[in-house]
Amino acid sequence: SQQGEEDPQALSIQEGENATMNCSYKTSINNLQWYRQNSGRGLVHLILIRSNEREKHSGRLRVTLDTSKKSSSLLITASRAADTASYFCATDVPTGFQKLVFGTGTRLLVSP
Amino acid sequence: DARVTQTPRHKVTEMGQEVTMRCQPILGHNTVFWYRQTMMQGLELLAYFRNRAPLDDSGMPKDRFSAEMPDATLATLKIQPSEPRDSAVYFCASGLAQGLHEQYFGPGTRLTVT
Repeated sequence: SQQGEEDPQALSIQEGENATMNCSYKTSINNLQWYRQNSGRGLVHLILIRSNEREKHSGRLRVTLDTSKKSSSLLITASRAADTASYFCATDVPTGFQKLVFGTGTRLLVSP
Repeated sequence: DARVTQTPRHKVTEMGQEVTMRCQPILGHNTVFWYRQTMMQGLELLAYFRNRAPLDDSGMPKDRFSAEMPDATLATLKIQPSEPRDSAVYFCASGLAQGLHEQYFGPGTRLTVT
C-alpha cells in the first residue's frame, strides 16, 4: 500500500499565483522527497527534506515537514505555465532497503 | 549529462507474447528500481536491486514477470506471457545505496498489450 497521500488530487491556478500541495504519510521516515512528472515523462527529483529539518527552500520551492503530524507541504511561488505537471511526495522509510514509497500525486494545472 | 536510459520507449504487442524492457542506469549508481505506473494504481514498485542483487521483488507478479541485472550497466524486466492488464508505463530508476537515496528516473517504456 502507498505510504503517502497527496492533497488535493488536482489543483488549477492562474500564472503568478502560489500553489500548495500537501502530503501525509504513515510511518517514521529518514527523509521526504518531492518529485515532478511532466506528461509522458519520468519523475524528476525536486527537493529533499530530512526528518530533522522543518523547512527547506530551493528557488521558488518551499517545503515544510511536520513529523509530529506526519505531513509535508510543497509550495510553489509565482507559478508559471511550465510548472504544469504532477507532483509526488516520496518517503525514505528506515527499513534498511533504501527504497522510496511514493504517494498518489497532485496534478497541477497552471493557466496563462 | 548522466541519465537513465530505457528501451524501447514504446511497445505494442499481442497478448501471450514475451516483452523485454531494458534499462541502463547512471554509471556508478548501485541501486536500480523498476516501477509500473497506471492511472488506477499509480506508481508501484516492482523490483529493487542493490549491487546487482535482487533485494525486493515482492511487488512483482512472479508467475509472468522476471527482473535481472546481467551486469552493472544493464537491467532487464521481462513479461512472459504478456496480458492486456500489463498495459502501463514501466519506469526504471537508479540511485546510490549510500546517502540520501534520491532516485533518477528514465523516460519510461509505454507498453500496450492487445
